[in-house]
Amino acid sequence: EVQLVESGGGLVKPGGSLRLSCAASGFTFTNAWMSWVRQAPGKGLEWVGRIKSKTDGGTTDYAAPVKGRFSISRDDSKNTLYMEMISLTTDDTATYYCATETATLKVVGGDYWGQGILVTVSS
Amino acid sequence: DIQVTQSPSFLSASVGDRVTITCRASQSISTYLNWYQQRPGNAPKLLVYVASSLQSGVPSRFSGSGSGTDFILTIDSLQPEDFATYYCQQTHSPPRTFGQGTKLEIK
Repeated sequence: EVQLVESGGGLVKPGGSLRLSCAASGFTFTNAWMSWVRQAPGKGLEWVGRIKSKTDGGTTDYAAPVKGRFSISRDDSKNTLYMEMISLTTDDTATYYCATETATLKVVGGDYWGQGILVTVSS
Repeated sequence: DIQVTQSPSFLSASVGDRVTITCRASQSISTYLNWYQQRPGNAPKLLVYVASSLQSGVPSRFSGSGSGTDFILTIDSLQPEDFATYYCQQTHSPPRTFGQGTKLEIK
């Protein structure tokens, strides 16, 4: 069974930091391009960033609102995706999903999403 | 960055109806477009990728078309479980922007 399980969310004060993790199982994580997508309460989906597989260079890309503040990494030995978030603002309050990217849909055998984890930035 | 404009924002329809949702990109994206369905409290679910390829397990009443800048998601014969919010996403180049969403409600 494929699973993506996010952890590390919670309440943080403005200006604070948080690290999200996403533990993957049931598919070949090393082959997957992975992304983070967020959804503010009652709002639409926002692509946050992604990391390619190491065989495809392992490079990262970010959306403008988070560039320079968020950093995505992966540990293929642990089948885990990370996102380090610093200088958080109230605009970062959202449910954060980790997901496989459709660029590697055929390679990993499907489109997979975590259940989402809530990050609340509030004083 | 490529902008993606989705319309309509809200759509009211009845079971059995045929509905279409459109997505327009700010520049040509070939067929690099996905469609997702999201039900309240759930993660998005991929319906269509590369504009017209139906994801495995998705009912054939869903179909996608288009290329370049203009794309359409069509749902034939709406079923009760189809009432949800739909998003398009361009995958031509990062940032992989989503459309604003279309909430499909029961009339």
